[in-house]
Amino acid sequence: DAGVTQSPTHLIKTRGQQVTLRCSPKSGHDTVSWYQQALGQGPQFIFQYYEEEERQRGNFPDRFSGHQFPNYSSELNVNALLLGDSALYLCASSLDHAETQYFGPGTRLLVL
Amino acid sequence: RKEVEQDPGPFNVPEGATVAFNCTYSNSASQSFFWYRQDCRKEPKLLMSVYSSGNEDGRFTAQLNRASQYISLLIRDSKLSDSATYLCVVNIPTGANNLFFGTGTRLTVIP
Repeated sequence: DAGVTQSPTHLIKTRGQQVTLRCSPKSGHDTVSWYQQALGQGPQFIFQYYEEEERQRGNFPDRFSGHQFPNYSSELNVNALLLGDSALYLCASSLDHAETQYFGPGTRLLVL
Repeated sequence: RKEVEQDPGPFNVPEGATVAFNCTYSNSASQSFFWYRQDCRKEPKLLMSVYSSGNEDGRFTAQLNRASQYISLLIRDSKLSDSATYLCVVNIPTGANNLFFGTGTRLTVIP
């Protein structure tokens, strides 16, 4: 039973570029949440997808957008990258309204 | 004000010691509470859920005080493998199951 997977594992971009991160949820899970974890901080909620729609959004600008596909996998897109976007991006999957979320290994993004 | 506050540490303790971490949350509507463990450069992993009645899993005991909006984690007989960052996590029912994390408390168990 595969857990949550994310790709790529690492990414280096320059300011102003755009990036797409991918996530496949744990088998049987239908809900995907994205978090940003800056160095020395706890993860911060970006948004959650359920039934291919954004259900809730945290305090992140519109440069952050996402998508969920019919197979429940998800993408996180960030436009016009800033140096401050450098962080570990974590995807978590769960069953709808279930308390427990399972995290993927994350994508480490460095913006130069 | 942050939703979840915890002492970042670091806590450096010898093997076999007992160590306690505390955390407070600001939203009284918070519904579910957890401790996650995060190893260096890895993803967070659920350590245990926290219930009002308190719960124990081996050397780990978690407590919740709803009146004080306070959560604790006690680790007894610390092992070297317990070295990690411990994240206090709260679920606030806002229409989605998004989790609010503290900054984490860094623990190092010393031989």
